[in-house]
Amino acid sequence: QKEVEQNSGPLSVPEGAIASLNCTYSDRGSQSFFWYRQYSGKSPELIMFIYSNGDKEDGRFTAQLNKASQYVSLLIRDSQPSDSATYLCAVRGSARQLTFGSGTQLTVLP
Amino acid sequence: SQTIHQWPATLVQPVGSPLSLECTVEGTSNPNLYWYRQAAGRGLQLLFYSVGIGQISSEVPQNLSASRPQDRQFILSSKKLLLSDSGFYLCAWSDQGNTDTQYFGPGTRLTVL
Repeated sequence: QKEVEQNSGPLSVPEGAIASLNCTYSDRGSQSFFWYRQYSGKSPELIMFIYSNGDKEDGRFTAQLNKASQYVSLLIRDSQPSDSATYLCAVRGSARQLTFGSGTQLTVLP
Repeated sequence: SQTIHQWPATLVQPVGSPLSLECTVEGTSNPNLYWYRQAAGRGLQLLFYSVGIGQISSEVPQNLSASRPQDRQFILSSKKLLLSDSGFYLCAWSDQGNTDTQYFGPGTRLTVL
């Protein structure tokens, strides 16, 4: 079982819709959770982090964490074509280093 | 504000040749530094991390090595490249006080032929 799993996609949504990206992790001792956005050919850019169960909102982005279910998600409201990228989930587990998922490719269709 | 630089941006090297990639951070002191590799269509693999000058931890045994000769400088090296060393090499930093949140440099795309 992979430590951090994401649906590889590709995920396509129409402009203005809500994009939902999901991530599960295996280490129950994980404490910190991150979402990075990576445009094609570029390096990852941090967009959200969450430490506590529940929702955390930042502009059009909402991160949701459920530690009991070992599940973290990212919602993007009012999706724009500029949101088209690969989204990486990263988890800081008991080993104190970040483990990254393989990413979900999102395409927002105009 | 903090800035992280990597060079070169792209590199094409023959198998068996040496490698040296450099990363520098500005605007912070005593950062934690990290080297990751991203193979095509894959997630990020942590290669090395450093909590201070001369302190290097290796996550994956391989033909690569890392050094930290100065507080804000991190170097990735190899004596002889393999085809499997091709990939996108990313340097990242984090604050000593908040080691979880990592910020990435622009990366070096390495092709070994």
